[in-house]
Amino acid sequence: DGGITQSPKYLFRKEGQNVTLSCEQNLNHDAMYWYRQDPGQGLRLIYYSQIVNDFQKGDIAEGYSVSREKKESFPLTVTSAQKNPTAFYLCASSIVAPTNNQPQHFGDGTRLSIL
Amino acid sequence: DAKTTQPTSMDCAEGRAANLPCNHSTISGNEYVYWYRQIHSQGPQYIIHGLKNNETNEMASLIITEDRKSSTLILPHATLRDTAVYYCIVRVDRGKLTFGTGTRLQVTL
Repeated sequence: DGGITQSPKYLFRKEGQNVTLSCEQNLNHDAMYWYRQDPGQGLRLIYYSQIVNDFQKGDIAEGYSVSREKKESFPLTVTSAQKNPTAFYLCASSIVAPTNNQPQHFGDGTRLSIL
Repeated sequence: DAKTTQPTSMDCAEGRAANLPCNHSTISGNEYVYWYRQIHSQGPQYIIHGLKNNETNEMASLIITEDRKSSTLILPHATLRDTAVYYCIVRVDRGKLTFGTGTRLQVTL
């Protein structure tokens, strides 16, 4: 089945460590996104990419980095510079259309906790 | 970003229609209205979207007022599995979805 796979589902990190969250999609979507969700809150955009080898900062990019070497993959690295990394991280993808109206489809998320 | 306003919570009896309202009075002419829902500890699930015409799919119907300042998501026969947080979102450019805190729908027996 086509979809978006995020791994791992749960991740624990020691303070000062970088950690990479995986996101893979087999929907042949050009655009991919990373969001962060804190308890009781909506989602906030970290980074997005509309084409391979190109990505843009979202609203809360500080302390995060991404790469887009392949169309189907958009890994997110949470660096030690991110002071409050404990959160639920969601990856999404969508078709890129001229009218920019295509819906985003989400994975099931990775829950990151600091030990 | 066009801002949306939704009630914090709603209840609905199983088998009845659930009507979830959303106000988006500052929406601009080319902005779509999207509805997603999120069940606890899962990623948001896309439900439906529209620009100005009413839309229907296998999950729900979307009714958008003529002035586009508000919309209603209708789940025609709610089940316990429809219990979730429902988000009304107005799309902006470059694909950014701005999520608010949504409406927590509780479907009861």
